[in-house]
Amino acid sequence: GAGVSQTPSNKVTEKGKYVELRCDPISGHTALYWYRQSLGQGPEFLIYFQGTGAADDSGLPNDRFFAVRPEGSVSTLKIQRTERGDSAVYLCASSSGVGETQYFGPGTRLLVL
Amino acid sequence: QKEVEQDPGPLSVPEGAIVSLNCTYSNSAFQYFMWYRQYSRKGPELLMYTYSSGNKEDGRFTAQVDKSSKYISLFIRDSQPSDSATYLCAMEGEGAQKLVFGQGTRLTINP
Repeated sequence: GAGVSQTPSNKVTEKGKYVELRCDPISGHTALYWYRQSLGQGPEFLIYFQGTGAADDSGLPNDRFFAVRPEGSVSTLKIQRTERGDSAVYLCASSSGVGETQYFGPGTRLLVL
Repeated sequence: QKEVEQDPGPLSVPEGAIVSLNCTYSNSAFQYFMWYRQYSRKGPELLMYTYSSGNKEDGRFTAQVDKSSKYISLFIRDSQPSDSATYLCAMEGEGAQKLVFGQGTRLTINP
């Protein structure tokens, strides 16, 4: 079966613009996670969904970042008023449930000019 | 101080060598320990998962956890050029549902 997919694979935007990053989890996976990976660093947790609700959003850096998962499958990470410091690879992962293995997508590379 | 410390390398070894990768951590709440491999421009993929102190072997890979010292290791035997990648340690607390990663060690196996 298909793995986690993320679109777009690359996104270049200008400072101050709004961007949306999409994640399609593995079919049937109820848990979905967003991480951010800066150059030369390990991924850092942003937010976790169980079903449609955000169970833990403690990693979101500020109120410019928001994520939704309205139907419990696809998720969108939304970044308002982008800043150059938002440039990173945004990784999505999904798992079949609590405590199960997280499977990662290839990431979206965001560059804010 | 970061919760998980990992030497970023880079580490370069000849083909066939035994590789040792290590992480230390400070949070005693971590109960689950993982090693992920990440190829360039790809997402991390799970290599090893363990939750108890001791060794766990899977083919050429051995994961070692020492909870008393807050230290974990990954050993790669008979290393191959295809093992060249960044290796990330990751940890999770009971019920936490979020992974805390080390910085990653960039490994190159030279033919």
